[in-house]
Amino acid sequence: EDQVTQSPEALRLQEGESSSLNCSYTVSGLRGLFWYRQDPGKGPEFLFTLYSAGEEKEKERLKATLTKKESFLHITAPKPEDSATYLCAVDNYGQNFVFGPGTRLSVLP
Amino acid sequence: KAGVTQTPRYLIKTRGQQVTLSCSPISGHRSVSWYQQTPGQGLQFLFEYFSETQRNKGNFPGRFSGRQFSNSRSEMNVSTLELGDSALYLCASSLDGSSSYEQYFGPGTRLTVT
Repeated sequence: EDQVTQSPEALRLQEGESSSLNCSYTVSGLRGLFWYRQDPGKGPEFLFTLYSAGEEKEKERLKATLTKKESFLHITAPKPEDSATYLCAVDNYGQNFVFGPGTRLSVLP
Repeated sequence: KAGVTQTPRYLIKTRGQQVTLSCSPISGHRSVSWYQQTPGQGLQFLFEYFSETQRNKGNFPGRFSGRQFSNSRSEMNVSTLELGDSALYLCASSLDGSSSYEQYFGPGTRLTVT
């Protein structure tokens, strides 16, 4: 069965304290891995798509990387406005999108 | 460019009733997917529509159904509501599921079943 797990479940950082979030997946076939950010009461906001091992993408303080079994979302010098739940999802060749449970990130000023 | 819109934003229904939720995708997007989000189960895929046809379906009972219109707008229907159907229902659109996989989500409809 296709499965996506994320760790840690929750993370508290001080402003400026860099860290990484992990997304591990077990799927029959990977067409793409996606990262989203979700603020309370809102729909997920698209961040990145990664398609193959070794691929990296960056956006402001965020950098996503992909290996054959996992993806990392690196947050460099985070700010309080980066506080949100970060979700990863995999597309298993059109079967459906399988989402992980998310990591709740809190960045304290 | 306008984003994905969902109506209504909030709904309160009673057990046994039925409900219809609406989603308008981003202009030009032809694929619409529906998800259920709950604190316990997270985001779970319901179904995807493309060009008025259901292309994929998740593991939900037949009480959950949907359709897509020629203008790509989509509706989902839940019949015989149960307490466990209380959730945030999210719709996401993408240009074309086969060539552009980025899905853009709407704000969701918060359904409460009492």
